[in-house]
Amino acid sequence: EVEVVESGGGLVQPGGSLRLSCAASGFTFSVYEMNWVRQAPGKGLEWVSYISRSGVTIFYADSVKGRFTVSRDNTKKLLYLQMNSLRAEDTSVYYCARELSPESGLDVWGQGTTVTVSS
Amino acid sequence: SYELTQPPSVSVSPGQTASITCSGDKLGDKYVCWYQQKPGQSPVVVIFQDTKRPSGIPERFSGSNSGNTATLTISGTQAMDEADYYCQAWDSRSYVFGTGTKVTVL
Repeated sequence: EVEVVESGGGLVQPGGSLRLSCAASGFTFSVYEMNWVRQAPGKGLEWVSYISRSGVTIFYADSVKGRFTVSRDNTKKLLYLQMNSLRAEDTSVYYCARELSPESGLDVWGQGTTVTVSS
Repeated sequence: SYELTQPPSVSVSPGQTASITCSGDKLGDKYVCWYQQKPGQSPVVVIFQDTKRPSGIPERFSGSNSGNTATLTISGTQAMDEADYYCQAWDSRSYVFGTGTKVTVL
C-alpha cells in the first residue's frame, strides 16, 4: 500500500524547535518530489515547503523561510522538516504529501502530525 | 504573492448540482487541482490538471478552468460529498491553496 506517515509533532514553547519526520512506503520514494502542508485549527490548507527528488531544489513559503528546513534521505525513504524559532502561529496539523507534478498536484497525503506552540 | 479566492460556503440539495468557484489572476494560464477534505481526515485530490479525475473519484466530479476562474462541479450531489473543498495551483516557486469552500448538502 502506498502511504506516508508523519511523526514528531508535540507541544513546544515559543522559540523552541521540533523536527518532523515522514516515512514513505509502498512506492519508490526517490522518484517523487515531496511537500509539507499545514492546517491551523479550523483554518484552511497552507503550503509550507517543497523538495525535489534529489533534494537539490527546495522552496519555502514566506511565512517559514529562514526558520524551517526541509530535507530528505532517499536511502531511508524519509522526509524531514526541521522547525526552529517556532511561533504560536505555527500551531497546525502538518501533512506530508507526495507530488505527482506541479500540474497534477499532491496525490498521497499522510494523516498529519500536530504541532502546538504554546507556553 | 498569488492568491486564490473561493466562496466560504455552498449549499446544495441532494441530487442537485453544486458549483464551487476559484478565482485568481490569469488562473486559466495555470493548472488547477481540487481537494476534498472531510472532518478529521486528510485532503484527497478529486480533480487534477483542471479537468482530470484520479481513479476512484466518481464521475459526478468535474472541473473547468478559463480566464480568471476555475470551477469544480458536483453533479447529482450526494450526502457523502459534504466536505471542505480547496482549489490549488502552482505559481512559480510555490503551491497556492484557495481559501476553501464548505459544501453543505441540505
